[in-house]
Amino acid sequence: EDQVTQSPEALRLQEGESSSLNCSYTVSGLRGLFWYRQDPGKGPEFLFTLYSAGEEKEKERLKATLTKKESFLHITAPKPEDSATYLCAVPLGGGFKTIFGAGTRLFVKA
Amino acid sequence: GAVVSQHPSWVICKSGTSVKIECRSLDFQATTMFWYRQFPKQSLMLMATSNEGSKATYEQGVEKDKFLINHASLTLSTLTVTSAHPEDSSFYICSASPGTGHEQYFGPGTRLTVT
Repeated sequence: EDQVTQSPEALRLQEGESSSLNCSYTVSGLRGLFWYRQDPGKGPEFLFTLYSAGEEKEKERLKATLTKKESFLHITAPKPEDSATYLCAVPLGGGFKTIFGAGTRLFVKA
Repeated sequence: GAVVSQHPSWVICKSGTSVKIECRSLDFQATTMFWYRQFPKQSLMLMATSNEGSKATYEQGVEKDKFLINHASLTLSTLTVTSAHPEDSSFYICSASPGTGHEQYFGPGTRLTVT
């Protein structure tokens, strides 16, 4: 069964305390993996697309990496404004549908 | 680039009335548009997928006669909640994709409250 699982469900960090969020997937024929950020009461904001194992992408304090079974979103020296829910998603082969993980709620305290 | 707008951002309506929500891709042509529903502190629940000029594909358990979707052009899709009831109150989010397997770009969402 195609599945995307994110962990942890929630993560509380102190400002400056680096950490990683995990997204594991069981999808046949991976055609990409997406990371989004969602603030409360808003639509998700696109962050990254990763297409192949070993690929890495960075944006400010965020770095996304991809292996054959999972992806990590590394947050370096986070700030309170990085507090949000981070979602990963995988497009299913042969169609238009994308499945989303349940998300990791990140709280960064000053 | 890749901006998706949604209108209205919030709406309050009385039980039994219908509400239309618009989703537009402003700077790209969207091969496919998606409609999601999201409950507090939960992830996105896909309601339906629509392609321009064809009928929408609804997910299991979503009433197609209640949630009418029209993908009128490559930049516009609408969701009409017909005969709305309080249990339809939710946060509705649309997204648009430039192609199969491509990332989706999301609108800001519409908060629907049915009284």
